[in-house]
Amino acid sequence: QSVLTQPPSVSGAPGQRVTISCTGSSSNIGAGSDIHWYQHLPGTAPKLLIYGNRNRPSGVPDRFSGSKSGTSVSLAISGLQAEDEAEYYCQSYDISLSAWVFGGGTKLTVL
Amino acid sequence: EVQLVQSGAEVKKPGESLKISCQASGYTFSKYWIAWVRQMPGKGLEWMGIIYPGDLDTKYSPSLQGQVTISADRSISTVYLQWNSLKASDTAMYYCARRRPDSNWFDPWGQGTLVTVSS
Repeated sequence: QSVLTQPPSVSGAPGQRVTISCTGSSSNIGAGSDIHWYQHLPGTAPKLLIYGNRNRPSGVPDRFSGSKSGTSVSLAISGLQAEDEAEYYCQSYDISLSAWVFGGGTKLTVL
Repeated sequence: EVQLVQSGAEVKKPGESLKISCQASGYTFSKYWIAWVRQMPGKGLEWMGIIYPGDLDTKYSPSLQGQVTISADRSISTVYLQWNSLKASDTAMYYCARRRPDSNWFDPWGQGTLVTVSS
């Protein structure tokens, strides 16, 4: 059981918008720890997609956006493309565990 | 360009020892943390531990404390993950990833090292 909870899967047609939620607790998101998002394609290294809740590293398309409101965080992907089909993970720091923690991952299927 | 290059895939028997590596380049090795992240078959990412090469400060996941050892060799900008006695349950893909001291995210990541433990 992961410390951060994500839906196992989401799907959408090309061009559509999908969101992936990430739920934590009072010892991570609720304690003010930032959320970061990674895209993981099979057979490749995970790639940082969003850091500090809403910031995109250089080179990440603005189709990807992150938001945090209170203890609710999400990743939105607009204008879905076939190449977006991947596993997406949220990640934070848990102050009770003194550990970096990941969500269980969400498999995005582009229909 | 910042790069983390990991050692190749390993196939081992239960009870054997193993040390895999992650060599960094393109930045000042001693000034960034390097973490190890595990992905067991069919599972998600799991943080294992982290080391700061500057002073060798090391932290481990509470669930993995004592099961692995993380070390670093500053002379060759390389971080290691070591097991003294492998178990079948150690079969996984292992990634190293860099973390800035003032941040809590990981970027970039190594390409991964597949470790298979089977009798």
